[in-house]
Amino acid sequence: SQQGEEDPQALSIQEGENATMNCSYKTSINNLQWYRQNSGRGLVHLILIRSNEREKHSGRLRVTLDTSKKSSSLLITASRAADTASYFCATGDSNYQLIWGAGTKLIIKP
Amino acid sequence: NAGVTQTPKFQVLKTGQSMTLQCAQDMNHNSMYWYRQDPGMGLRLIYYSASEGTTDKGEVPNGYNVSRLNKREFSLRLESAAPSQTSVYFCASTWTDNYGYTFGSGTRLTVV
Repeated sequence: SQQGEEDPQALSIQEGENATMNCSYKTSINNLQWYRQNSGRGLVHLILIRSNEREKHSGRLRVTLDTSKKSSSLLITASRAADTASYFCATGDSNYQLIWGAGTKLIIKP
Repeated sequence: NAGVTQTPKFQVLKTGQSMTLQCAQDMNHNSMYWYRQDPGMGLRLIYYSASEGTTDKGEVPNGYNVSRLNKREFSLRLESAAPSQTSVYFCASTWTDNYGYTFGSGTRLTVV
């Protein structure tokens, strides 16, 4: 079953603009993770935010977590053509399993 | 290069045939996972191994079996392939919960 629900399902922006994707979930979590998947390839781990954290940065990525609203957002600043990919959120608990959303497809137009 | 290695990358099977997908990691990770990904969907967990010597069912285990051969290797077996098992299969590993996963590049399986 899918817990994470990404929004929007698809996003198309101009190169240089910022891209924001959202993820909502239903149950309590230990952490929330974001992954990128380029077409036809494996997933790449981007960032993990723990349930006691509210914001985390990594390069051009900024992730926020609001446990009261059971939601997270991923912001990619100054987008590049190479950021074109699908982005997935996944929630982790203490059960050694991640539960995945269906992903946001991001297209960066030159 | 350190990471997760999956073989084969592509496979076509006839209905009823069997095959084993291989996965190996060289990062000394404790936990390993098998997922399938179908078009327009997120990942669905087939089986996982929280640590060497243990395996557990995930969300969609029917039609599959796994073996955690040692700490490095985790194989997925399809005993009698069905068209519904046409999918892309990913192996992943991690230290333990609360860490990010490292994924293999996937096996694209078609069952005809």
